Amino acid sequence: DTEVTQTPKHLVMGMTNKKSLKCEQHMGHRAMYWYKQKAKKPPELMFVYSYEKLSINESVPSRFSPECPNSSLLNLHLHALQPEDSALYLCASSQERLAGGNEQFFGPGTRLTVL
Amino acid sequence: AQSVTQLGSHVSVSEGALVLLRCNYSSSVPPYLFWYVQYPNQGLQLLLKYTTGATLVKGINGFEAEFKKSETSFHLTKPSAHMSDAAEYFCAVSTGGFKTIFGAGTRLFVKA
Repeated sequence: DTEVTQTPKHLVMGMTNKKSLKCEQHMGHRAMYWYKQKAKKPPELMFVYSYEKLSINESVPSRFSPECPNSSLLNLHLHALQPEDSALYLCASSQERLAGGNEQFFGPGTRLTVL
Repeated sequence: AQSVTQLGSHVSVSEGALVLLRCNYSSSVPPYLFWYVQYPNQGLQLLLKYTTGATLVKGINGFEAEFKKSETSFHLTKPSAHMSDAAEYFCAVSTGGFKTIFGAGTRLFVKA
């Protein structure tokens, strides 16, 4: 199985709502990533988990809260978002291979709209 | 610090014509280089990567890229474009670790 799955595909939420994005992989990868992608822009790294521990937080606002319950699952909890947070949220995974070129496997993304 | 520059935000070719997407990188250490493709409303898919060894790298869907250290380039080519190649293409660089720096992207249009 070389697939990364993400749910939901689309999400519309108000600024006072709490919602979660989910990501799952079964490739045995021990590194998992959250990216944010605005229209016509490259992905921007948000968080990296390595062996279920948060390894990188790219100064993301606290209204985004990541969680890695186990090696196959990655969640992104959303609370009190702003309209400018509307974007495509991509999950990715890779081998734990710090010395090599970590090719990443991406999910299809969740299209988030904040009203 | 690393950076990636993709020359041309839009490239348009006719079906059957050569595809050439340009990428230049900057890195203070030997880089790992990648090309990813993104189709509308989808995630990114790896086309090919350069780590070490042979400088001409072959990827999926008939694409290839050549690592030229002297020119700090990693241009992507395909001999004959197909309508299904229309997509956004991202060049990316990493020096190990978890951070990958993506270029701004090049939108490829293929005309019938």
